[in-house]
Amino acid sequence: RKEVEQDPGPFNVPEGATVAFNCTYSNSASQSFFWYRQDCRKEPKLLMSVYSSGNEDGRFTAQLNRASQYISLLIRDSKLSDSATYLCVVNDDYKLSFGAGTTVTVRA
Amino acid sequence: NAGVTQTPKFQVLKTGQSMTLQCAQDMNHNSMYWYRQDPGMGLRLIYYSASEGTTDKGEVPNGYNVSRLNKREFSLRLESAAPSQTSVYFCASSELGGGDYNEQFFGPGTRLTVL
Repeated sequence: RKEVEQDPGPFNVPEGATVAFNCTYSNSASQSFFWYRQDCRKEPKLLMSVYSSGNEDGRFTAQLNRASQYISLLIRDSKLSDSATYLCVVNDDYKLSFGAGTTVTVRA
Repeated sequence: NAGVTQTPKFQVLKTGQSMTLQCAQDMNHNSMYWYRQDPGMGLRLIYYSASEGTTDKGEVPNGYNVSRLNKREFSLRLESAAPSQTSVYFCASSELGGGDYNEQFFGPGTRLTVL
């Protein structure tokens, strides 16, 4: 079983729509959680950390459910520039474990 | 301030050839990492260096060696390349390693093809 699993998508949404997706993680002792964004053929970049109480950063909302071991990301009012692959990342002691990513395509 | 730089950007090798991927960071970070990324899979950690002078194996170290040359530079060597090592290789750095998380900053990647 993979440590971090994500629905690969793609999620194809029109501009202005809301899109949400989850990832699950296997290690119940995982300490911290993040979403990274990766544009096509580019390096991953930190989008936001995920806190236990849930947190927002502009149009992005992240939630953590420790009991069910999943993390979610919601994007409101989608922009064309939100088209990317979103990587779910879990911190286990010394290392980060990456999901394979969820691809989002926002169309005009 | 260039962040994390990697050379080369692209490389094609024949099976059995060797090569070294170079990585340097100018952020004075303590920890550095090498990952590979394959289609349909997440980034997988090959080796990491929590601090200058130390290196440790990650999830997929077989076929690779690393050198933490100094605080800035962390190189990855393929001694005898195999087609299974065809991948995109990312170097990353963070301020702290170990049990403390700091944001990891990635280089632009090296696209390696082994024929």
